[in-house]
Parts: sequence; C-alpha cells; structure tokens
Amino acid sequence: GQQVQQSPASLVLQEGENAELQCNFSTSLNSMQWFYQRPGGSLVSLFYNPSGTKQSGRLTSTTVIKERRSSLHISSSQTTDSGTYLCAPPDTNAYKVIFGKGTHLHVLP
Amino acid sequence: EAAVTQSPRSKVAVTGGKVTLSCHQTNNHDYMYWYRQDTGHGLRLIHYSYVADSTEKGDIPDGYKASRPSQENFSLILELASLSQTAVYFCASSGDRGYEQYFGPGTRLTVL
Repeated sequence: GQQVQQSPASLVLQEGENAELQCNFSTSLNSMQWFYQRPGGSLVSLFYNPSGTKQSGRLTSTTVIKERRSSLHISSSQTTDSGTYLCAPPDTNAYKVIFGKGTHLHVLP
Repeated sequence: EAAVTQSPRSKVAVTGGKVTLSCHQTNNHDYMYWYRQDTGHGLRLIHYSYVADSTEKGDIPDGYKASRPSQENFSLILELASLSQTAVYFCASSGDRGYEQYFGPGTRLTVL
C-alpha cells in the first residue's frame, strides 16, 4: 500500500516568515489532498491537487506525481496559521486515502 | 451549511456499554468513512462504505461495527466500549474512489 512521509515533523516560525512543507509518497497516483487541522478541530481541506500548482491566498500547493512528492508553501505566515498540516494521497488498491503524520506548525507573534 | 454532520459532538460512555456515533452527509457522495484520531497515531481508517447496505473493513476494524442504511447516513457502533476506544472520531465522505474527502466536525468519545 501507499506510504506517506511528511517533513518537517514540526516547525516554529516568526510571524511573517515563509514555510515549505513536504510530502513524499511511495506510489505514483493521480491526486493529492492537503488538510489543515487546528488543535481540537476538524480537518479543513486546503487543496485537492491532481498535479501541478494551485494557489489560494498565501498558500500554494505543488504536486509532481512522477516524482512522488508534493509541497505546501505558506507565505508571510500569521499566528492563525498555527496548527497541523496533513497530506493525503490515495491508496493504491482501495477506495481510500492514506494520511501522513502531519507537520505541526507554530507561528510566534 | 455543513455538508457532513456528526452526532453527538462529544460523549462519555462507560466501559462495556454500547455507543453509536452517527454521520449524515448532504454531498450526494457514494463513499463514506469512519476514522479515529489519537495522539501519536494520526488518522486511522476504521470502516468505510461505497454503497448503501454495505460496509467494508478499514485498517483497524476490531471492536467496531458500521452500518450504512442509506446513502446519506453512516453509523459507527461500539458494542462493548473499552478504555482504549477513547479518541476523536471523524466521519468523511467522498464522491469518487476515496479522492477529495470532506470531513465532519468530529466526535470526542471518552470511555470511563
């Protein structure tokens, strides 16, 4: 089945700094979903990205399927960006996705 | 308006008791999922379903049953709740083979 590795596991930024979060997966498939989760909260979908680059405000997702990697770029971070970011590529042989363990981001004022 | 809702939002249950968690979606999606989230384990799939009246085992099905009486509704049943089942439970729906999942707000279950 699909294996997912996210890096870094945790990250501390000063407000205004940029961040690059990485997601590597073992099997090339045709989509990637990024989620944001605030402590104690639900999962909010940030991007569903079959391939290429998508931008939404200060967030940019880039997925290169053939290289089995995806990244999430956060520009000009804000304290409200603090939380956990999860990537979830589809599994190889089932109707499900596989979640990485996440990157825990803390943005300091 | 929320497309995936869960009830209850939190619950305290006693060991050995029966617990039913409910999920309702208005996305018109065929696929529905139950996950649990624990510190240190991330999100793990318990059961899923891709059609009414049929459920499939996920990665950690032991101790759980699922029921899909209609396209919109998916329940998770703990027949004999145990301490180890204390966790946050999330329901999700998807329109196509598990891609692009939409999550509910979660249910915090505490088993005492």
